[in-house]
Amino acid sequence: AQSVSQHNHHVILSEAASLELGCNYSYGGTVNLFWYVQYPGQHLQLLLKYFSGDPLVKGIKGFEAEFIKSKFSFNLRKPSVQWSDTAEYFCAVNAGDNYGQNFVFGPGTRLSVLP
Amino acid sequence: EPEVTQTPSHQVTQMGQEVILRCVPISNHLYFYWYRQILGQKVEFLVSFYNNEISEKSEIFDDQFSVERPDGSNFTLKIRSTKLEDSAMYFCASIDPNRGSSYNSPLHFGNGTRLTVT
Repeated sequence: AQSVSQHNHHVILSEAASLELGCNYSYGGTVNLFWYVQYPGQHLQLLLKYFSGDPLVKGIKGFEAEFIKSKFSFNLRKPSVQWSDTAEYFCAVNAGDNYGQNFVFGPGTRLSVLP
Repeated sequence: EPEVTQTPSHQVTQMGQEVILRCVPISNHLYFYWYRQILGQKVEFLVSFYNNEISEKSEIFDDQFSVERPDGSNFTLKIRSTKLEDSAMYFCASIDPNRGSSYNSPLHFGNGTRLTVT
């Protein structure tokens, strides 16, 4: 079964700092990749997704992620974070034909941005 | 943009009691899911539902759990006899199979119901 790991449990940055959150997965086949964000007290929201094509994908709020197949990675980046980016970030991988058992979330990375 | 809505936002119940968590998926979506997130842990898959039947379920989804689509809009998760370890945030999700391939659409999540079992 596939698994997803996220490099950091908690990241603390100052505003305007650059962000990179690591995500690695273990699965040898074709995957769809996602980053979701969960702001305090709110639901999971899709930041960006990769299905196929350009491995550099751009999402909402200035986020982007790069799929590197050889490294089984899908790291999330933002050049300049804001206080409002404080949230929990989840990498997720869907392998196979459906979103059931094959849709696996990483453990999440909590981002705290200091004003 | 249409949203998945879940009620209640917070449910407190005593151990052994039955609870029903309610979800209204986006109206034209056909595939529905329940996930849960125990505090401090990752989001876990519980069950998927399509065409009025369970299509897949995880080991977590034992006989104490059931799902139902009682009418054209609601999608419910019932826990018959709650345990302390059922305390978690429960998320409902749905996908729109009409946007490209059935399995190339992102999941749309609701706000979640926080279940606290005392």
